[in-house]
Amino acid sequence: QVQLVQSGAEVKKPGASVRVSCKASGYSVTTYDIHWVRQAAGQGLEWMGWMNPDGGDSGYAQKFQGRLIMTRDISTSTVYMELSSLRSEDTAVYYCARGIGVYNSDFDPWGQGTLVTVSS
Amino acid sequence: QSALTQPASVSGSPGQSITISCTGTTSDVGTYNLVSWYQQHPGRAPKLIIYEASKRPSGVSYRFSGSKSANTASLTISGLQADDEADYFCCSFAGSRTWVFGGGTKLTVL
Repeated sequence: QVQLVQSGAEVKKPGASVRVSCKASGYSVTTYDIHWVRQAAGQGLEWMGWMNPDGGDSGYAQKFQGRLIMTRDISTSTVYMELSSLRSEDTAVYYCARGIGVYNSDFDPWGQGTLVTVSS
Repeated sequence: QSALTQPASVSGSPGQSITISCTGTTSDVGTYNLVSWYQQHPGRAPKLIIYEASKRPSGVSYRFSGSKSANTASLTISGLQADDEADYFCCSFAGSRTWVFGGGTKLTVL
């Protein structure tokens, strides 16, 4: 079945960078975009950006411009999200999701989430 | 972009129907029919339950339905069941390959 499996929890110090992976299975990763969404504890969902694993192009929410990079390794069907200059407000669960449908606007399925904790 | 506006909480008794609203602007909900809804149980990843404002994915109960009028999208859950208790989020395409979520609504089944 279609599945996205993410890497494990991370603890980082302020100012550091974190890289989270999202491995796709059950379909060809080059067929659909991958989106990244985060959720702080007790808060709502926040869309961060998308990547097209086929061409490698990507787009990021304005809030993350300059400190968010998405990359991919097609040979392992894995997409990566790297967030730099971490601050305490970046503490959240980070999800990847496959974008399907018109403009790849429907997020299905989602990865299990990766908790990133930023603390000195 | 600003987050879409959802009520913080709604509640209903088993068997009843509830509706959750999701208000955006002419830059997102009002212009595009690309509104989706997600159900999230505590500690779990979100699950797609409505796409393109009113379409239901295979496997999602007929009790979930969606609609849209002008800048507001709505999710209706009929025949409430205990397992419907969860957080619900709307999401809209906002042009230029960007998306925006609502703040989320906590549904309590009394």
